[in-house]
Amino acid sequence: DTGVSQNPRHKITKRGQNVTFRCDPISEHNRLYWYRQTLGQGPEFLTYFQNEAQLEKSRLLSDRFSAERPKGSFSTLEIQRTEQGDSAMYLCASSLAVIAGGEFFGPGTRLTVL
Amino acid sequence: GIQVEQSPPDLILQEGANSTLRCNFSDSVNNLQWFHQNPWGQLINLFYIPSGTKQNGRLSATTVATERYSLLYISSSQTTDSGVYFCAVESTGNQFYFGTGTSLTVIP
Repeated sequence: DTGVSQNPRHKITKRGQNVTFRCDPISEHNRLYWYRQTLGQGPEFLTYFQNEAQLEKSRLLSDRFSAERPKGSFSTLEIQRTEQGDSAMYLCASSLAVIAGGEFFGPGTRLTVL
Repeated sequence: GIQVEQSPPDLILQEGANSTLRCNFSDSVNNLQWFHQNPWGQLINLFYIPSGTKQNGRLSATTVATERYSLLYISSSQTTDSGVYFCAVESTGNQFYFGTGTSLTVIP
């Protein structure tokens, strides 16, 4: 068990470009969450999957954002037409539904939009 | 959504000192957790504590759900305790609401 991994760890892009991040959860975990964290703030919920089903989306997740978990394992978060306000740390977490309080976070992907 | 307030926002301690961090929340919750974010950004789950008291080594936490607050106690602080401590709550919908954190610096 190597924990939750996220790639890339850092991404620098120009405004208007599309970016995609990947999260690999702990292998037996059926729940997967995406959060966004800006400097000096706590993480903000973006979306949540149980297996391959996307069960909840925050209003923060505008039309430019899309997340998938096609086979109930890894997940991708895509941001289209990036804006400077998208600059943040994007965090992924996973858990096993039957175990309360068992969320494990990945190291995050830091996005900088120039 | 649920409002989560943490205090103090910043804390500087001499190594060996004790401290208490507080988390107030605005509504009933099913889940409350304390996390530590280290200086490299990694979030570590410290306690799952929707009610009652738990202890893990030098750390302990108490949640009084009826009064909508939780406390995290750090005893005999060490420099490795430095970082940001977050309280996160969940009511329904499987999403956490995080506070803005308490930034702790422990100096040798």
